Amino acid sequence: EVQLQQSGPELVKPGASVKISCKTAGYTFTENTMHWVKQSHGKSLEWIGGFNPDNGGIIYNQKFKGTATLTVDKSSNTAYMDLRSLTSEDSAVYYCAIGNWDGAMDYWGQGTSVTVSS
Amino acid sequence: DIQMTQSPSSLSASLGGKVTITCKASQDINKYIAWYQHKPGKGPRLLIHYTSTLQPGIPSRFSGSGSGRDYSFSINNLEPEDIATYSCLQYDNLYTFGGGTKLEIK
Repeated sequence: EVQLQQSGPELVKPGASVKISCKTAGYTFTENTMHWVKQSHGKSLEWIGGFNPDNGGIIYNQKFKGTATLTVDKSSNTAYMDLRSLTSEDSAVYYCAIGNWDGAMDYWGQGTSVTVSS
Repeated sequence: DIQMTQSPSSLSASLGGKVTITCKASQDINKYIAWYQHKPGKGPRLLIHYTSTLQPGIPSRFSGSGSGRDYSFSINNLEPEDIATYSCLQYDNLYTFGGGTKLEIK
């Protein structure tokens, strides 16, 4: 069974950084691109970027370039997303999701809530 | 960037009834559209990909169709567990989600 287990909720101050993890199981980690998606409260989903663990290729949504950094640890089958210089606009639930054979995002994590507040 | 215009933003229907949601892309997306069901506290659930291909385990009362820029998603025989928000995703050129449709049961 494919599982994506995300790290817990975060409360961070404006200007700070946060690192969210997505630990995977039940599939071959290098065979699927890992995507990250943002959902602000009451708003629609936004694609942040995708990391190909097989070749290290990364594609970012231009909107999040400079804010988000995607990495993986193949030894632990875990993906990470660093968010820096956070503002209240970054308060949201962040999801990891893996792409299936034709590119659609298939399995999703449960989401990580990030609240930016002083 | 490709924009996805999803409508309606909310709708209410009766148990046993049918609903249809549409997504219009700003350019041809070559049928690379997926539909998701999203409930509070959980990650979105992939229902349909490549316009009309049902994910394993998804009931046949869910369906999708379309081509070019225009796509639709329908649910027949509405059941209580269908209460959720539904979103489309184009993945022909990077990834763009529609605005979401909140479904309520009358």
